[in-house]
Amino acid sequence: NAGVTQTPKFQVLKTGQSMTLQCAQDMNHNSMYWYRQDPGMGLRLIYYSASEGTTDKGEVPNGYNVSRLNKREFSLRLESAAPSQTSVYFCASSEFGVPRYSRDQPQHFGDGTRLSIL
Amino acid sequence: GQQLNQSPQSMFIQEGEDVSMNCTSSSIFNTWLWYKQDPGEGPVLLIALYKAGELTSNGRLTAQFGITRKDSFLNISASIPSDVGIYFCAGQLGTTSGTYKYIFGTGTRLKVLA
Repeated sequence: NAGVTQTPKFQVLKTGQSMTLQCAQDMNHNSMYWYRQDPGMGLRLIYYSASEGTTDKGEVPNGYNVSRLNKREFSLRLESAAPSQTSVYFCASSEFGVPRYSRDQPQHFGDGTRLSIL
Repeated sequence: GQQLNQSPQSMFIQEGEDVSMNCTSSSIFNTWLWYKQDPGEGPVLLIALYKAGELTSNGRLTAQFGITRKDSFLNISASIPSDVGIYFCAGQLGTTSGTYKYIFGTGTRLKVLA
């Protein structure tokens, strides 16, 4: 009954350090997403993956890379962290292409990773 | 990046009052979604709207998909303290990779005074 699990929940980095945020879902969903949430900005899409083996850029991909390791896992990597990347990061998953027919929830979100870069 | 215009940004209301918030866009969407986010948690889906003009209820919540497909509103009737949180609208777009992606509004922060 876990849904979408994100690790770690909190992290503090120094400028220039690298880090990988992990996300795993146990709902057998095909599509996975990474968002960042900043005050007053809502959620902005960083990258998404339609299915295992594919990734696409969202609205704010610069400074990030992703890996869709398998159907369950989708990781987000900061190669050289910058203070502007201080944010709360959310991972989400959804079923592939059929939410309007199944009426299932279009997206399930994890509880977020709070990342501070000094 | 593209974001939806959501208003109001924040509201303070008395317990028992009705609440209304809306979301507008210059783009057409085929699906509108409304989420609620509690502190320290991820957003949770409240209502999904799949057809222009559709009016859908979920308990005390009612949402409508605008006829132009460029707007949506959410109403909460008889608010209670646990309604406090941030409410987000989201529009669903198809992608060339065959899945959907979601554009979110900037959020409405609701505070309910007992």
